[in-house]
Amino acid sequence: AQTVTQSQPEMSVQEAETVTLSCTYDTSESDYYLFWYKQPPSRQMILVIRQEAYKQQNATENRFSVNFQKAAKSFSLKISDSQLGDAAMYFCASSYSGAGSYQLTFGKGTKLSVIP
Amino acid sequence: DTGVSQDPRHKITKRGQNVTFRCDPISEHNRLYWYRQTLGQGPEFLTYFQNEAQLEKSRLLSDRFSAERPKGSFSTLEIQRTEQGDSAMYLCASSPGTFGQYFGPGTRLTVT
Repeated sequence: AQTVTQSQPEMSVQEAETVTLSCTYDTSESDYYLFWYKQPPSRQMILVIRQEAYKQQNATENRFSVNFQKAAKSFSLKISDSQLGDAAMYFCASSYSGAGSYQLTFGKGTKLSVIP
Repeated sequence: DTGVSQDPRHKITKRGQNVTFRCDPISEHNRLYWYRQTLGQGPEFLTYFQNEAQLEKSRLLSDRFSAERPKGSFSTLEIQRTEQGDSAMYLCASSPGTFGQYFGPGTRLTVT
């Protein structure tokens, strides 16, 4: 079984500044994937960024990047040049092949507020 | 828009009634997932289809829950004899493979 822990229930950031959201996970699998999803208020879940565990290079997507520390089982999300539209719940998630489903296991989320 | 769609978006029902939700995945995606999300929590996995075959079910999926995906296209999730504890957001996601799932807007169920 996999577990995902997000220790920051809420975070805030000034517009145009940088913020880092923390995530740790626990798995005994060697082949797994990690994700950050964004869920704006009353809107659907959006895939922000993804990382294959076997890749050492940290994933980046425009203003979003991750710091993947495999030995520490840490997968933090950095948002640069924060924008008002970044305000949302952010969920860290993991998946592995298991029975073949690659189902996602989510953390409890971090609510990010962006201050104008 | 060719994203994942779900219908209805909101459902209010009385305890004991049956409800059915529909999910239309992205057309080329052969994998389809159902999750349940309660207030203040991340989504929890319910069940998984690859094409029309239901290959995995969570222990959260009691006997009152059933899901189908006829012909490997759209999927339905039915809850029989609803209980107040079933009140939640039911999310559908689809995926072309192993690397990321794309979510629909969800169906918010309220059981009174």
